Amino acid sequence: EAGVVQSPRYKIIEKKQPVAFWCNPISGHNTLYWYLQNLGQGPELLIRYENEEAVDDSQLPKDRFSAERLKGVDSTLKIQPAELGDSAVYLCASSFGLKSYNEQFFGPGTRLTVL
Amino acid sequence: AQSVTQLGSHVSVSEGALVLLRCNYSSSVPPYLFWYVQYPNQGLQLLLKYTSAATLVKGINDFEAEFKKSETSFHLTKPSAHMSDAAEYFCAVSRYSGGSYIPTFGRGTSLIVHP
Repeated sequence: EAGVVQSPRYKIIEKKQPVAFWCNPISGHNTLYWYLQNLGQGPELLIRYENEEAVDDSQLPKDRFSAERLKGVDSTLKIQPAELGDSAVYLCASSFGLKSYNEQFFGPGTRLTVL
Repeated sequence: AQSVTQLGSHVSVSEGALVLLRCNYSSSVPPYLFWYVQYPNQGLQLLLKYTSAATLVKGINDFEAEFKKSETSFHLTKPSAHMSDAAEYFCAVSRYSGGSYIPTFGRGTSLIVHP
């Protein structure tokens, strides 16, 4: 079974440029998460989807970040415009079912560097 | 709000020695608790989880954790460290928000194993 797929793995951009990350969850997983992980820190939830509905996006900086999960399968996270402080690893995870104690399966992440 | 505190950003042990990684949580009600491991350039992988069943939880690779409500702790242990256990370990708690449980991660503890 394929795991959570993320692309690109690495991205380097200049500040004020737009950037997008893509995530394909494990087949059949209803819930999808986007996390931000700064160096030396734990993941911080940005947004959580149950199927195609965003059910928790309180930590998503909506002035520059946006996300979508069309048809409740893969998802895209966008930053426009990027700032220096956005440099981090962006993790995607998915889980089966809608319970918070279900195991989350994580992708390898996208490492973003903003110059 | 629920939070997680991991004591010690780095723990160093010799191969074959006991591993003890500490995690304390703040919660007014018994939460769901997790330990995840992250190897370099990889996503997080679930080691074990507590969901109000047995207080001693066994996970993969001989790891286990004990839920102690009186101490609000969920420390991770392994009887004998292997070189392959060197990784970043994250404790996580599910916090209740907006009608659902949201995962919150600690800052992580880096386990260093010496030969």
